[in-house]
Amino acid sequence: GAVVSQHPSWVICKSGTSVKIECRSLDFQATTMFWYRQFPKQSLMLMATSNEGSKATYEQGVEKDKFLINHASLTLSTLTVTSAHPEDSSFYICSANLWGVGAGYTFGSGTRLTVV
Amino acid sequence: GENVEQHPSTLSVQEGDSAVIKCTYSDSASNYFPWYKQELGKRPQLIIDIRSNVGEKKDQRIAVTLNKTAKHFSLHITETQPEDSAVYFCAAANSGGSNYKLTFGKGTLLTVNP
Repeated sequence: GAVVSQHPSWVICKSGTSVKIECRSLDFQATTMFWYRQFPKQSLMLMATSNEGSKATYEQGVEKDKFLINHASLTLSTLTVTSAHPEDSSFYICSANLWGVGAGYTFGSGTRLTVV
Repeated sequence: GENVEQHPSTLSVQEGDSAVIKCTYSDSASNYFPWYKQELGKRPQLIIDIRSNVGEKKDQRIAVTLNKTAKHFSLHITETQPEDSAVYFCAAANSGGSNYKLTFGKGTLLTVNP
């Protein structure tokens, strides 16, 4: 149980275009979704926290106009990388906390974004 | 905010030996400490976690110890096997916080040599 489905698993896009990444909670309601970015051989760095029905909270140094987060329902959160550049190439992964249904966190399978 | 330090960054052991990874955290309000194993290109996989009301937890070859006073916790893997080779992350969260934000350490690349 407590599965987060993340799509796409990988995407290649041209510089200047936008890419949308979706995370869906399949068997529970995710009131909060966390979005992480992971560069090669580095840790997961929290980009933002999205709460259903309200504006996302961004971590320091993360451009909110570039990384648009929408959490319009209890089962869907999206991250849109706008005007992507090669330096945005990374592994993006979402996570939902499970404190309302037990404990811990569940992670999406991640999206490998390559901007060419 | 929370800051989690993790050491060592790389660890190489012989098969059958033990491996120990250590983490410290800064926020005394943190009360949940999970450990994740991550293989290349995959999502983090929870291997064990501990809450602040417990000092030690064990699951077969894996154990975690927590010292709340010193604000550090450690992962112990005994009888290591080649399939234990991966990157391991520690993390900390405050389950009483507004969003239960999870902060990760920088990771440890564990290599188990046959």
